Amino acid sequence: NAGVTQTPKFQVLKTGQSMTLQCAQDMNHNSMYWYRQDPGMGLRLIYYSASEGTTDKGEVPNGYNVSRLNKREFSLRLESAAPSQTSVYFCASSVTTGTSQPQHFGDGTRLSIL
Amino acid sequence: KQEVTQIPAALSVPEGENLVLNCSFTDSAIYNLQWFRQDPGKGLTSLLLIQSSQREQTSGRLNASLDKSSGRSTLYIAASQPGDSATYLCAGTTGNTPLVFGKGTRLSVIA
Repeated sequence: NAGVTQTPKFQVLKTGQSMTLQCAQDMNHNSMYWYRQDPGMGLRLIYYSASEGTTDKGEVPNGYNVSRLNKREFSLRLESAAPSQTSVYFCASSVTTGTSQPQHFGDGTRLSIL
Repeated sequence: KQEVTQIPAALSVPEGENLVLNCSFTDSAIYNLQWFRQDPGKGLTSLLLIQSSQREQTSGRLNASLDKSSGRSTLYIAASQPGDSATYLCAGTTGNTPLVFGKGTRLSVIA
């Protein structure tokens, strides 16, 4: 039962470097999400994909891009990393957006930018 | 815009105590509300989901209620155990929109 798988689990970058965080789900879910979690700020939505072929901005999209590669995979890219993007990033999926079914989360990627 | 608030931010109780975690939301047109558990260094695990047509959901020692008119949900944990120590988050959606999360309540159950 893999559920939502995120890679890598840990990463250290230098300011200005680029990186792509990968996420895949095996539950045939239509909707996928990227969040960041910071101390005292809770979970904030970066981008989401309600269905394959669509993406929408969340609360904090600046500095990020996303790609819904297919129904299973949703990647998050930092084009030019900044120290303010040091955070724990979570990918999640659900049957649909606003569904009556629970949302499932990966274990997170811990990203440090020096 | 839906806003979700959880008070208190942290709570410490002795083992065996019954406790209530609170969640409030601003938009009464809530479609469903979910309670999650997060252990340190881990992702979120869904505990209970209450649809707008429901008043409560139960799973084992956990009971979650939803009162749309007052904009509140509670998570009741009976006979708390040290293994219940974690951060508990609530999140709501008003329809075809992503979940909006509260900042969580960090629970410590002391043996």
